[in-house]
Amino acid sequence: SQTIHQWPATLVQPVGSPLSLECTVEGTSNPNLYWYRQAAGRGLQLLFYSVGIGQISSEVPQNLSASRPQDRQFILSSKKLLLSDSGFYLCAWSQHLSSYNEQFFGPGTRLTVL
Amino acid sequence: ILNVEQSPQSLHVQEGDSTNFTCSFPSSNFYALHWYRWETAKSPEALFVMTLNGDEKKKGRISATLNTKEGYSYLYIKGSQPEDSATYLCAFENTGFQKLVFGTGTRLLVSP
Repeated sequence: SQTIHQWPATLVQPVGSPLSLECTVEGTSNPNLYWYRQAAGRGLQLLFYSVGIGQISSEVPQNLSASRPQDRQFILSSKKLLLSDSGFYLCAWSQHLSSYNEQFFGPGTRLTVL
Repeated sequence: ILNVEQSPQSLHVQEGDSTNFTCSFPSSNFYALHWYRWETAKSPEALFVMTLNGDEKKKGRISATLNTKEGYSYLYIKGSQPEDSATYLCAFENTGFQKLVFGTGTRLLVSP
């Protein structure tokens, strides 16, 4: 069966510090991968998605970036965090070329920027 | 920009009450409508994938209907239980895209 891992689970970082959140998927190959953020009082906002190694699509301009160095690894980064980067970050995967884009979510990372 | 709206934003019912919420989405280029349940401290979990106009799906006490022509879906919970307390998200899938557009969710609290 497939599983998705995210770490860390919680993170408190000062403004201006770097960020690296990691997501890995097991039990499947060539998945589509997604990073979402839920800011306080708001819905799930798609940040990045990837359909293959090295292929990243950005949905919103911001100071975050994503990379996919391996087939089942997706990394969310920032060089300098802003207060507005606080939120709950979810990684998700879906089957590549599936009929419908049913997505499966990881446990999430709660990021607080102070 | 695709707009997916859910109402109400939050709902507080008593155990045993039946309840329903709405998801509104664009009626053009429809491909699928997804419902997720997101319990506190857990990951969002898929409930239904709805694809055809008039679709009705059921899982236990939870059911959903779909109207693609007018762009809405209803989620019903019959005889709510405290364990149904969660945020219910809908997500619109457009033709030709590998992504979902989520609504802001309906937060349901069921009191014993």
